[in-house]
Amino acid sequence: GQQLNQSPQSMFIQEGEDVSMNCTSSSIFNTWLWYKQDPGEGPVLLIALYKAGELTSNGRLTAQFGITRKDSFLNISASIPSDVGIYFCAGENTGNQFYFGTGTSLTVIP
Amino acid sequence: DADVTQTPRNRITKTGKRIMLECSQTKGHDRMYWYRQDPGLGLRLIYYSFDVKDINKGEISDGYSVSRQAQAKFSLSLESAIPNQTALYFCATSLAGAPGETQYFGPGTRLLVL
Repeated sequence: GQQLNQSPQSMFIQEGEDVSMNCTSSSIFNTWLWYKQDPGEGPVLLIALYKAGELTSNGRLTAQFGITRKDSFLNISASIPSDVGIYFCAGENTGNQFYFGTGTSLTVIP
Repeated sequence: DADVTQTPRNRITKTGKRIMLECSQTKGHDRMYWYRQDPGLGLRLIYYSFDVKDINKGEISDGYSVSRQAQAKFSLSLESAIPNQTALYFCATSLAGAPGETQYFGPGTRLLVL
């Protein structure tokens, strides 16, 4: 089945540093979504992107929908300890099906 | 109150047993989904439903069945559970329409098949 290529798989950073992660696909998507998942919980939506080239912010988070519609990135500025978790990208294709990346595990060192 | 709820939150069962996982939503969304999550594999789609009379197989539907009893309820059944169905199961909902869709997830059901 189709999976998105998400990188990096894991990150260990110092508190206060900026974080960047991205997802790529061989297929075009109509929607890109970014989620955060805490242990034992369901993914929680962070940012939704609906148009190619769209750049959207949510507090310290910024995400962009790639011009080719085959990629997206998520940036977190000035990381804090509560940013720890697993971040997933998801794309919706023209058939209204969602595909998920394998996740980026973020550890923030105080 | 949570918009998307799942019951049970945790379940241990034995090989060969039939079990059902329930999902309810108060968001008024027409579309509902069941995913399983395994370490290192992300989320994989099992079944999805775009309305009460619509059921579609996802990427990994073998060994599973679903029932959309009402717009707000979507249940997942394992007719004869096997150990490799041990996983974290998530229900999600979305509302069709422009400019796009966003999925909202339940808290998950952790299933262990012995």
